Amino acid sequence: ETGVTQTPRHLVMGMTNKKSLKCEQHLGHNAMYWYKQSAKKPLELMFVYSLEERVENNSVPSRFSPECPNSSHLFLHLHTLQPEDSALYLCASSQESYGELGQPQHFGDGTRLSIL
Amino acid sequence: GQQVMQIPQYQHVQEGEDFTTYCNSSTTLSNIQWYKQRPGGHPVFLIQLVKSGEVKKQKRLTFQFGEAKKNSSLHITATQTTDVGTYFCLGGSNYKLTFGKGTLLTVNP
Repeated sequence: ETGVTQTPRHLVMGMTNKKSLKCEQHLGHNAMYWYKQSAKKPLELMFVYSLEERVENNSVPSRFSPECPNSSHLFLHLHTLQPEDSALYLCASSQESYGELGQPQHFGDGTRLSIL
Repeated sequence: GQQVMQIPQYQHVQEGEDFTTYCNSSTTLSNIQWYKQRPGGHPVFLIQLVKSGEVKKQKRLTFQFGEAKKNSSLHITATQTTDVGTYFCLGGSNYKLTFGKGTLLTVNP
């Protein structure tokens, strides 16, 4: 139990489907992250929310749309994905000071996404 | 932009041998963190270094942060089979966070 819960654990979807990944943290943290982890590639930071404001968006295609309604919940809305989007999507949280990032991150178990 | 190079990509050792992985940043970092990811698992935070020249130890693990705050290393003494996994560094500077590619460590019992 890491304090960061991701659902679903596995997701198979077609390229025309719309789905959402959910992340919830029970650690009282104020920053949340989405990462993509593909085979044989480094962890790719996709989005960061700190104090519910998006502070980092690493040139992610618009078919990925994040949403952070409050400091405990983070969503990743998926629409018209491509086969190369198949990967493990990890959520993490941390407790940050205003204007900074760099505190230890706690990761969820991830959602294994497969695009048919 | 900020880049963090990590070497080696893979390391296979006999149980009892030492292991070291290195990270090198293209820019000066505010801090560096190290994570371990077991096969099939998620990254788990190990340690954070913030001071120039800092050295920290956790049992058989020794972490160093370079004087220029651009490089770091993780050294494991006398590896055990439980050390198997991928070790990542994460370089931080203001709102920029960059992971190294990771070093996959396998240990032959």
